[in-house]
Amino acid sequence: GAVVSQHPSRVICKSGTSVKIECRSLDFQATTMFWYRQFPKQSLMLMATSNEGSKATYEQGVEKDKFLINHASLTLSTLTVTSAHPEDSSFYICSAADRGRYEQYFGPGTRLTVT
Amino acid sequence: AQRVTQPEKLLSVFKGAPVELKCNYSYSGSPELFWYVQYSRQRLQLLLRHISRESIKGFTADLNKGETSFHLKKPFAQEEDSAMYYCALSNQGGKLIFGQGTELSVKP
Repeated sequence: GAVVSQHPSRVICKSGTSVKIECRSLDFQATTMFWYRQFPKQSLMLMATSNEGSKATYEQGVEKDKFLINHASLTLSTLTVTSAHPEDSSFYICSAADRGRYEQYFGPGTRLTVT
Repeated sequence: AQRVTQPEKLLSVFKGAPVELKCNYSYSGSPELFWYVQYSRQRLQLLLRHISRESIKGFTADLNKGETSFHLKKPFAQEEDSAMYYCALSNQGGKLIFGQGTELSVKP
């Protein structure tokens, strides 16, 4: 089956620093990857859609300069939280859509804590 | 506006009881609807989608365009069904719009 990994699974950083989260599709080529944010026991909120080789499309209200997304290859997308603040603390989840298919496969998520 | 509503935050039933998790949607076109499940400490995974009309782990869901609903049902709940369930709608761009989620708790 299609597997998506995320690294790291958990990260703690100090306020003002930047954090990079990687999302990889391990056994398929993902032309599109999606980044979500999830608060405890709440829904997933789509942050941005990332297409290989092009700029990400951000949802309304999501700061593109704060959440930098790079989709450099068909198997890797990265989300960088720049100048992190405590309010950025959250669970970040990526998903990847297999080329030619509409189903999204989800990563295990990354727990970010900003102190 | 595209929206998915799951009115129940928590649904608690006893083992063997029927379960219905409600989902209503708002979408101007022809929607593609899904149910995703997240078991404790596991990643989100697809449970079923309306176009395949299949039954997974005893769960079924029927798209009712008149009522704009896509309720998830199971006739006899099992303890291992306890999880967070998310109804989701896919638009033409392939984006998923999730409902708020319903936590299902099946008690022995």
